[in-house]
Amino acid sequence: NAGVTQTPKFQVLKTGQSMTLQCAQDMNHNSMYWYRQDPGMGLRLIYYSASEGTTDKGEVPNGYNVSRLNKREFSLRLESAAPSQTSVYFCASTGTSDSYEQYFGPGTRLTVT
Amino acid sequence: RKEVEQDPGPFNVPEGATVAFNCTYSNSASQSFFWYRQDCRKEPKLLMSVYSSGNEDGRFTAQLNRASQYISLLIRDSKLSDSATYLCVVTIGNAGNMLTFGGGTRLMVKP
Repeated sequence: NAGVTQTPKFQVLKTGQSMTLQCAQDMNHNSMYWYRQDPGMGLRLIYYSASEGTTDKGEVPNGYNVSRLNKREFSLRLESAAPSQTSVYFCASTGTSDSYEQYFGPGTRLTVT
Repeated sequence: RKEVEQDPGPFNVPEGATVAFNCTYSNSASQSFFWYRQDCRKEPKLLMSVYSSGNEDGRFTAQLNRASQYISLLIRDSKLSDSATYLCVVTIGNAGNMLTFGGGTRLMVKP
């Protein structure tokens, strides 16, 4: 049982390049989330998907797009990377509406130069 | 003002010490409260939920004061393996399982 997996683990981009971060969970969870974590800022929600077929903006959605491909997979796309998007990105999932435990993937460390 | 505020630390304590972390939150409609633990360069993991009556899990005790919008975590008999960052987490108002994370308090337990 892998839980939540993310690819890639590390990535370096040049300003203006695009990329997609992949996330998958095998726990049959309905809700999935993308966060970014910067020093001293805590985790900030970028986008979330309460269920398959729905996505909503979180606290810091600008510069990102998401796709809930199916129940298992939730991807995050940077269309034109900027240095301000240098961060650690975590994907998370949770099972039911009354379960607050979020299970996190191992993270993607992204540097934009 | 941040929605969830924590002292970033670091708290440097010897093995066996008792250490307490505090956290304040700004949204009085928040319904649920948690402590997550994050090891260096790893993902956060749920440590424990925080209930109004206070709750204990082994060496860890969590307390909630809704009137003051204040949460605490007490660790007794600190172990080297307790070294980590502890994240205070609250639900966003009464919005189901949407979470707001504090910036974390770093604990370093020394031999």
